[in-house]
Amino acid sequence: GQSLEQPSEVTAVEGAIVQINCTYQTSGFYGLSWYQQHDGGAPTFLSYNALDGLEETGRFSSFLSRSDSYGYLLLQELQMKDSASYFCAVGGGFKTIFGAGTRLFVKA
Amino acid sequence: NAGVTQTPKFQVLKTGQSMTLQCAQDMNHEYMSWYRQDPGMGLRLIHYSVGAGITDQGEVPNGYNVSRSTTEDFPLRLLSAAPSQTSVYFCASKLGAATDTQYFGPGTRLTVL
Repeated sequence: GQSLEQPSEVTAVEGAIVQINCTYQTSGFYGLSWYQQHDGGAPTFLSYNALDGLEETGRFSSFLSRSDSYGYLLLQELQMKDSASYFCAVGGGFKTIFGAGTRLFVKA
Repeated sequence: NAGVTQTPKFQVLKTGQSMTLQCAQDMNHEYMSWYRQDPGMGLRLIHYSVGAGITDQGEVPNGYNVSRSTTEDFPLRLLSAAPSQTSVYFCASKLGAATDTQYFGPGTRLTVL
């Protein structure tokens, strides 16, 4: 089967850096994705790692270690609008399985 | 370019009723999928399709049917609604297996009484 684990909640202050970890167990692995979802909204794609290492997109970075079945999303210069849920997801070809999500609270 | 569209946005059903949730995309994506999201939980894959005429089951397929007669449309049918199917339903599409960039529709909020 496939499973992903990520913390249920993280709280940080505006301007800070926060890291959201994700560990996974999967049969068949193409890559690790991250999605953001604001309350009442639809998930939106943030990043995708198919290979080991760090991918940077503006204030957001994502890291993958395939040997450790581990990845993380790094959010820098936190803003209030970053308060949302963040989901890691593993893609195994045609199926994408999502974690339960991490709720990020950004405080002023 | 509308992306992924879903109708209706809200729906209330009585137990035992059937209905179809509509999903369409105009990006010529081969891969489409349906997810349900329950409060405080992630998205669970119901069914997916890798192209017109090809569908397969996801994690939680029971009580749902799908078909894919065209590249653009991927409707989800609830055969006999149950309160356990109260959820938010998202349709998503992506270009193919080599990418995991999925584009989600706005969702359908379904309540089964």
